[in-house]
Amino acid sequence: EDKVVQSPLSLVVHEGDTVTLNCSYEVTNFRSLLWYKQEKKAPTFLFMLTSSGIEKKSGRLSSILDKKELSSILNITATQTGDSAIYLCAVAMNYGGSQGNLIFGKGTKLSVKP
Amino acid sequence: GAGVSQSPSNKVTEKGKDVELRCDPISGHTALYWYRQRLGQGLEFLIYFQGNSAPDKSGLPSDRFSAERTGESVSTLTIQRTQQEDSAVYLCASSSSPYYGYTFGSGTRLTVV
Repeated sequence: EDKVVQSPLSLVVHEGDTVTLNCSYEVTNFRSLLWYKQEKKAPTFLFMLTSSGIEKKSGRLSSILDKKELSSILNITATQTGDSAIYLCAVAMNYGGSQGNLIFGKGTKLSVKP
Repeated sequence: GAGVSQSPSNKVTEKGKDVELRCDPISGHTALYWYRQRLGQGLEFLIYFQGNSAPDKSGLPSDRFSAERTGESVSTLTIQRTQQEDSAVYLCASSSSPYYGYTFGSGTRLTVV
């Protein structure tokens, strides 16, 4: 069964801390891995990773994929209260997979305290 | 439109009533997805439409749930005889290609009382 597992499920840090969120997967016909940030209702796209070892960066956020370990990490440096959200990891499979070819993890709930 | 539009944004209904949720995808997006998210939980896949192909209904939790989509336009998710456990945020997303991720709508928060 295809699955995506995120850890930790929740995390509480203080402003200025650096956090690392983990995502591991077991899927058939892997194509890409995506990270989303969900603050209220609608998840917003952060990164899409297809190649192993190439870091994608956007401001204080960065992410990297390890195809050998079937995992990805999302790093946030110098956290701010505005980073508080649920971070969702999803894996897209090549055409023919189930669930519209995109499997979501349950998310990591990040709370950043002032 | 510029984004995925869902309506209503909030819906409170009495147990046993039917509800209909609407999703208007981004123009030209052939793929449309419905997810359910209970409080504090991850996204739960419900149904997937791709063009004119038969939809993937494998995630619908019971026969009280159904969804329709005409061509590549609006989709409606119908929940009959609502139960309290149906209370959740229902998210719709559309995509021009499933390989490149989805654009989500703002969701409908359904509360069954």
